[in-house]
Amino acid sequence: QQQVKQSPQSLIVQKGGIPIINCAYENTAFDYFPWYQQFPGKGPALLIAIRPDVSEKKEGRFTISFNKSAKQFSLHIMDSQPGDSATYFCAASTSGNTPLVFGKGTRLSVIA
Amino acid sequence: DGGITQSPKYLFRKEGQNVTLSCEQNLNHDAMYWYRQDPGQGLRLIYYSQIVNDFQKGDIAEGYSVSREKKESFPLTVTSAQKNPTAFYLCASSRGRGHTGELFFGEGSRLTVL
Repeated sequence: QQQVKQSPQSLIVQKGGIPIINCAYENTAFDYFPWYQQFPGKGPALLIAIRPDVSEKKEGRFTISFNKSAKQFSLHIMDSQPGDSATYFCAASTSGNTPLVFGKGTRLSVIA
Repeated sequence: DGGITQSPKYLFRKEGQNVTLSCEQNLNHDAMYWYRQDPGQGLRLIYYSQIVNDFQKGDIAEGYSVSREKKESFPLTVTSAQKNPTAFYLCASSRGRGHTGELFFGEGSRLTVL
């Protein structure tokens, strides 16, 4: 059973566009929601994370929007650049109890 | 520089052979993890360890084994019982024993079974 459903599987946007990647979850005990970025041949790296006590968090050009009632969260990349081309993973876990569960990933291509 | 070191980066093995992937960290982190990455499947947890001499199975532990004899080392053995071992394997660590801290990943080991 997939605990975190991520969409779309792949995404192509023009430079300067705003790609949006969505994730949905069922386990209401989840209370930590990070996004990881992975470049080809490398390990993932933490991009940004949110906890359910806030509805939005911004770090630079990256924003997480969180909708607790809908059990959904999304990543927005403002003014996307070709260097943002990577695979993005959402994830979720419960405090201290369960390891991170990852979505299946979204392959983003930003074309000039 | 602190970080996670995985070796080898590429590994080929014949069917029926066991192979051990190395993972070493010098971050003084308590917890270490092994994930398997397949195209379109995301990251799936194989094993994790929150303290020396203790580890737990993840979602896909069958055909794998681990040990945690030292805080800085968490090797993964892919046994001949693993039916489809060709994959990209990622090791990670985190500071605390809980699961809501940042995961630091190594650069991965790509295993190909011939």
